[in-house]
Amino acid sequence: GENVEQHPSTLSVQEGDSAVIKCTYSDSASNYFPWYKQELGKRPQLIIDIRSNVGEKKDQRIAVTLNKTAKHFSLHITETQPEDSAVYFCAASRTGTASKLTFGTGTRLQVTL
Amino acid sequence: EAGVTQFPSHSVIEKGQTVTLRCDPISGHDNLYWYRRVMGKEIKFLLHFVKESKQDESGMPNNRFLAERTGGTYSTLKVQPAELEDSGVYFCASSQTGGSTDTQYFGPGTRLTVL
Repeated sequence: GENVEQHPSTLSVQEGDSAVIKCTYSDSASNYFPWYKQELGKRPQLIIDIRSNVGEKKDQRIAVTLNKTAKHFSLHITETQPEDSAVYFCAASRTGTASKLTFGTGTRLQVTL
Repeated sequence: EAGVTQFPSHSVIEKGQTVTLRCDPISGHDNLYWYRRVMGKEIKFLLHFVKESKQDESGMPNNRFLAERTGGTYSTLKVQPAELEDSGVYFCASSQTGGSTDTQYFGPGTRLTVL
């Protein structure tokens, strides 16, 4: 089955700096890669996703890149703000009926003033 | 629109007892998933319903766990008898059929503590 590894487990950056979180996956058939943000005590929320026919996707300060050959994808947050502090999870799945998500272990991002 | 809801938000039970968790998906979502996060580890898949049918239950840890989705609306996950290692946060998610079926919307989770 699919295996997703995520690094780093914790990340501390100063406000205004950039943050990068990296994930690798094992199943070459995976073609959908969402990123979820979970603030303390709240539900995981989808912040951005990418499909295997696209190499990069951007939404304001958040971007995701995908390298299918190397089987890795990354989340980039620019101009970080204190409200970006949360746990971020990457995930991978095959689209269609077998659409369970396989998650990474999460990255706790702390944005300091 | 209302999001995915779960009940209860917290449950503390003793080993050997029974607990039933409930999930109400977003209205109209045929796909319903159960996941679990144990002790700060990754969120792990348990099972997937399409309407009332179990599409994939490969993640269910053992036969102490029973999931149902009668009528294809809300779902329940029963743990009987509960063991210490069942402690964790149980998430439910739902997605629609057709269109963007990949996007899964998560509920707030039920934190289960087995003493």
